[in-house]
Amino acid sequence: DAMVIQNPRYQVTQFGKPVTLSCSQTLNHNVMYWYQQKSSQAPKLLFHYYDKDFNNEADTPDNFQSRRPNTSFCFLDIRSPGLGDAAMYLCATSRGLAGGQGDTQYFGPGTRLTVL
Amino acid sequence: SQKIEQNSEALNIQEGKTATLTCNYTNYSPAYLQWYRQDPGRGPVFLLLIRENEKEKRKERLKVTFDTTLKQSLFHITASQPADSATYLCALASDTGRRALTFGSGTRLQVQP
Repeated sequence: DAMVIQNPRYQVTQFGKPVTLSCSQTLNHNVMYWYQQKSSQAPKLLFHYYDKDFNNEADTPDNFQSRRPNTSFCFLDIRSPGLGDAAMYLCATSRGLAGGQGDTQYFGPGTRLTVL
Repeated sequence: SQKIEQNSEALNIQEGKTATLTCNYTNYSPAYLQWYRQDPGRGPVFLLLIRENEKEKRKERLKVTFDTTLKQSLFHITASQPADSATYLCALASDTGRRALTFGSGTRLQVQP
């Protein structure tokens, strides 16, 4: 009964070679999030979509882009990965935005990105 | 600036004891606070939510308290089991301004059999 699915689970890329991570959900939630998490650190929000409305965090590098073609799918594109981008990338969904009702976040299993 | 602090040192306890984890925050007026569990190599899993006007919330062996004067939440696991070993993250949300969760870096709990 997977609700938030991320593919691939492990991704290896070369320095500077574009990479796309994908996330899909079966919950029909309005909001989809992408987080970056490095070892022993807090998940760091990169951006989120409320339906088609895109919200970028102020400190998210331009190297990171996202697409949400429909309710179910969301993609994270890293245009030119650097060694510092090696991390776990987590996708999450919620019915509503944080601070309101129905905003518990459901996370996928994550994609571990390695940059060589 | 807004800050969430969780003890970065691992908490080691014996099976059957109560584990208590702390989440402190500064420069924040949260509408609520959430606790998540994260196992190695996996995404966080939601456990409990407590709102600013609630003092305590319980769910089975879990209990969360929220003191907005101290700017602190305590997370308790009673009768702890080795299966409770994981990292526990707290997260805060405001109902104004930035409508997103801010996570702490978590505390690793190790329950010894």
